[in-house]
Amino acid sequence: GQNIDQPTEMTATEGAIVQINCTYQTSGFNGLFWYQQHAGEAPTFLSYNVLDGLEEKGRFSSFLSRSKGYSYLLLKELQMKDSASYLCAVRDSNYQLIWGAGTKLIIKP
Amino acid sequence: IAGITQAPTSQILAAGRRMTLRCTQDMRHNAMYWYRQDLGLGLRLIHYSNTAGTTGKGEVPDGYSVSRANTDDFPLTLASAVPSQTSVYFCASSEQAGSTDTQYFGPGTRLTVL
Repeated sequence: GQNIDQPTEMTATEGAIVQINCTYQTSGFNGLFWYQQHAGEAPTFLSYNVLDGLEEKGRFSSFLSRSKGYSYLLLKELQMKDSASYLCAVRDSNYQLIWGAGTKLIIKP
Repeated sequence: IAGITQAPTSQILAAGRRMTLRCTQDMRHNAMYWYRQDLGLGLRLIHYSNTAGTTGKGEVPDGYSVSRANTDDFPLTLASAVPSQTSVYFCASSEQAGSTDTQYFGPGTRLTVL
């Protein structure tokens, strides 16, 4: 079966750095996505990785290792508005997105 | 403002009733999707459409039907609602199916079936 694993919940302090991990086992791989979802709102696109390595976008970076079936999202200089759920999704061999359950990130002052 | 709209925002429905959730996008995207999101689970694909006039089944299609008469609209119908269909429903779209295109989501419909 296909599986995406992420921690259910993480807590971090304002101004700090947090790393959210995602491991996957899917039938084929055509890219990995990270989305942010604030409570009661729609998911919004954060990043996309298809090759191994680090993609940086301002305070957010995403890393991929295809051989290990592993990705992480790194958030720097955390702000209170970063409190949200972070969803990892993998595009499989049929080009459908398989979604993790999401990691709820709680930021404390 | 370009994007995806969904209606209604929320709905309480009696079991056995028929319900259609509406989704409209103005980005001229070819591909559209319906997901449900339940607590503790990832988004699950219900149905999708790669282009106007075609539809396909996702991971959890039972009890739902869709149509894609034109590029902009992709309604989801529950023929006879059951309590297990209580969920938040998201419509999404992307420029092309079978590509690396990003999916963009509508604001969601919160449906409660009693």
